[in-house]
Amino acid sequence: DTGVSQDPRHKITKRGQNVTFRCDPISEHNRLYWYRQTLGQGPEFLTYFQNEAQLEKSRLLSDRFSAERPKGSFSTLEIQRTEQGDSAMYLCASSLSYKNTEAFFGQGTRLTVV
Amino acid sequence: GESVGLHLPTLSVQEGDNSIINCAYSNSASDYFIWYKQESGKGPQFIIDIRSNMDKRQGQRVTVLLNKTVKHLSLQIAATQPGDSAVYFCAEKSGGSQGNLIFGKGTKLSVKP
Repeated sequence: DTGVSQDPRHKITKRGQNVTFRCDPISEHNRLYWYRQTLGQGPEFLTYFQNEAQLEKSRLLSDRFSAERPKGSFSTLEIQRTEQGDSAMYLCASSLSYKNTEAFFGQGTRLTVV
Repeated sequence: GESVGLHLPTLSVQEGDNSIINCAYSNSASDYFIWYKQESGKGPQFIIDIRSNMDKRQGQRVTVLLNKTVKHLSLQIAATQPGDSAVYFCAEKSGGSQGNLIFGKGTKLSVKP
């Protein structure tokens, strides 16, 4: 499978706990994006990387959220001290950086904070 | 503010009919647009894209039309099939090669057999 891979697919956590999600992009893609999607809404941009550099962050990305892409390949998104409002689908996408090209999405990680 | 929206939240069509899903965008600087299909519990799946220097692009059973004058985007699906049932999102990217996609709320397409 050469698509975008996300792990885990589902995560249930207690409020206040930390969680970490992983995204493996399509291998030749140097851009990697994180989005959040709540029920009935379109995906909302969180942050993106070009190679290992984090180039843009949304105001939605509070200080409890941190994303890394240390070697320019896979990325992790960590949420500290989770809140019930963090419950959402977290989507990762990747694309090539030259021109405008389509971003390919993974299946997402469904987070439920109880 | 800058946003991409949709005229109708739901659309119900008969199998075999053509479907038209509409989208309005507000950022005149947007130069790249994508339609995604999202099935329940899955990530968005790329359908077709169009750049702002074009007004029409065709794929397999799908056509995207772009009207920059009124900032309107549409997705036409020919001979709609039950497997087309999903939520459809349009997304825009502002000018330049950087930047993220801005999504609308989506239109749920239901195909009746």
